Amino acid sequence: AQTVTQSQPEMSVQEAETVTLSCTYDTSESDYYLFWYKQPPSRQMILVIRQEAYKQQNATENRFSVNFQKAAKSFSLKISDSQLGDAAMYFCACNTGANSKLTFGKGITLSVRP
Amino acid sequence: NAGVTQTPKFQVLKTGQSMTLQCAQDMNHEYMSWYRQDPGMGLRLIHYSVGAGITDQGEVPNGYNVSRSTTEDFPLRLLSAAPSQTSVYFCASSYYGLPGNTIYFGEGSWLTVV
Repeated sequence: AQTVTQSQPEMSVQEAETVTLSCTYDTSESDYYLFWYKQPPSRQMILVIRQEAYKQQNATENRFSVNFQKAAKSFSLKISDSQLGDAAMYFCACNTGANSKLTFGKGITLSVRP
Repeated sequence: NAGVTQTPKFQVLKTGQSMTLQCAQDMNHEYMSWYRQDPGMGLRLIHYSVGAGITDQGEVPNGYNVSRSTTEDFPLRLLSAAPSQTSVYFCASSYYGLPGNTIYFGEGSWLTVV
């Protein structure tokens, strides 16, 4: 079984600045993927970025990038040039094994100040 | 361009009533699953299916029943609703149950049990 921990319940960032959301995980599997999902007030789950455990290079998607520290089991999300539309709840998740069982953290609420 | 469709979007039930949350996908995905989201808990896996005729339990299966008679549909049944089942329910699907596959989520079903 895997666990995902997001210890910060809330964060705030000024528009146009950079913010980092923290996540740690634990799994005994060697093959796994890590994800960040965004959930706006509409509650829709939107995939932001994914990272394969075997890849050392950190994933990037436009303004979103991760800092994947495999030995430390840390997977943080950096949002650059924050926009008002980035305000949402963000979930870190881990997926292992053959049956695609996503394990989610408790989420962090990000607010963006204009 | 339907993707994963959940119905109903909102439902209020009385304790002891039964109901079925419907989920349908039009992407020919083998893997489907149900999650519930509670405040401060993230999303937790209820049941999942790796193909028609095959289902299995997730992290929080008690009080829920599923079946998978077709590839497209994966209904979630509440046999005798309890207030503890008040939650937001998400159906999800992916092409195969592999950890790296993109998981597509429905828009959620808000269920209140009074």
